Amino acid sequence: AQSVTQLGSHVSVSEGALVLLRCNYSSSVPPYLFWYVQYPNQGLQLLLKYTSAATLVKGINGFEAEFKKSETSFHLTKPSAHMSDAAEYFCAAISGGGADGLTFGKGTHLIIQP
Amino acid sequence: NAGVTQTPKFQVLKTGQSMTLQCAQDMNHNSMYWYRQDPGMGLRLIYYSASEGTTDKGEVPNGYNVSRLNKREFSLRLESAAPSQTSVYFCASKAGLALTDTQYFGPGTRLTVL
Repeated sequence: AQSVTQLGSHVSVSEGALVLLRCNYSSSVPPYLFWYVQYPNQGLQLLLKYTSAATLVKGINGFEAEFKKSETSFHLTKPSAHMSDAAEYFCAAISGGGADGLTFGKGTHLIIQP
Repeated sequence: NAGVTQTPKFQVLKTGQSMTLQCAQDMNHNSMYWYRQDPGMGLRLIYYSASEGTTDKGEVPNGYNVSRLNKREFSLRLESAAPSQTSVYFCASKAGLALTDTQYFGPGTRLTVL
């Protein structure tokens, strides 16, 4: 069975500072990985996904993530935080061989300080 | 093109009552999913349907039933609601069976069981 761990239920950064949200996966085979964002009272929107085509993945709104197999990680970064980035972020994985659904981490709430 | 729609947006039930959550997608997607989101838990898969006419259990199926009415619609039924089913329910869909296909989420149904 696979699992996804997001370090830090809340992360606070200043506007203009680097955003780093951590995600580690545990799987017998390297999974495909996704980052979703959820704004208050809304559904989830895909930010980016790792499909094995490239280890550095660029997404929407200036976010990117790097897949590191040796560290079983897929951390999300953005060079300069904006107030509009305040939201809940979820890392998710899928590797097949079982239920065809995403396994989600518990989420990280990103707070942007003015 | 509305994407994934869910009704109702909010619902309050008493313990033991039944209800059906409705989900529809207009993207001609084959696969559909029901997740529940609880505070600090991320999203967990309840049921999914890989194609019209098929349904399978996910991680937390107990207390729920589903119907894939046609290619567009996938409903979730609570036969006898319990307070433990208080949650936000999300429906999602994706085009095919590829693990890398993006899942698109609806806006959610916030359910409270008293």
